[in-house]
Amino acid sequence: DAKTTQPTSMDCAEGRAANLPCNHSTISGNEYVYWYRQIHSQGPQYIIHGLKNNETNEMASLIITEDRKSSTLILPHATLRDTAVYYCIVKVRDSGYSTLTFGKGTMLLVSP
Amino acid sequence: GAVVSQHPSWVICKSGTSVKIECRSLDFQATTMFWYRQFPKQSLMLMATSNEGSKATYEQGVEKDKFLINHASLTLSTLTVTSAHPEDSSFYICSARDPLAGPRNEQYFGPGTRLTVT
Repeated sequence: DAKTTQPTSMDCAEGRAANLPCNHSTISGNEYVYWYRQIHSQGPQYIIHGLKNNETNEMASLIITEDRKSSTLILPHATLRDTAVYYCIVKVRDSGYSTLTFGKGTMLLVSP
Repeated sequence: GAVVSQHPSWVICKSGTSVKIECRSLDFQATTMFWYRQFPKQSLMLMATSNEGSKATYEQGVEKDKFLINHASLTLSTLTVTSAHPEDSSFYICSARDPLAGPRNEQYFGPGTRLTVT
């Protein structure tokens, strides 16, 4: 699976949009971009995933560049409860035998 | 969404004893479950992958005789830390894949179990 690069930490004011970048310059054509987050002392939570089109769900939006070498996770209106470590992971979405490899992620701190 | 539970949420045990952690998928059948370990201020590290009815596949460096994994049913996997030592103190997290999740196909994670070995 391709490696990803994320900033170590980011700050965001409550109510503002949080834009979390991820570089995955060696991504393969059959690899998806997944985002998970982990609130302190809890298990990770799935947020969103995409292949090449932009995606949006009730939690966030995912913007993938045309060359697929980078992406941005957008939390449109960050709240204090969005403070967490956010992981960008690229992997093949296959029959189910591929695993998630977690990097160090980005620690997002949302402040009042 | 799908729910995965773990029991216990935290446990303290003495060095040399064994501890069993349960992971259950509450509203779906999980043919594949995963066990991760997370040390303080570090990321999750995959320990093993277990498929229902077969032996678990362990990641390099994880001792299969020390971390016993049983996936006897489609809704339950257990991790037993045998002869625990203080260096086994960690946050253990399981996840399960719902084969019927369709295009999402993501893993659902449990809340984790904090193990402290004294």
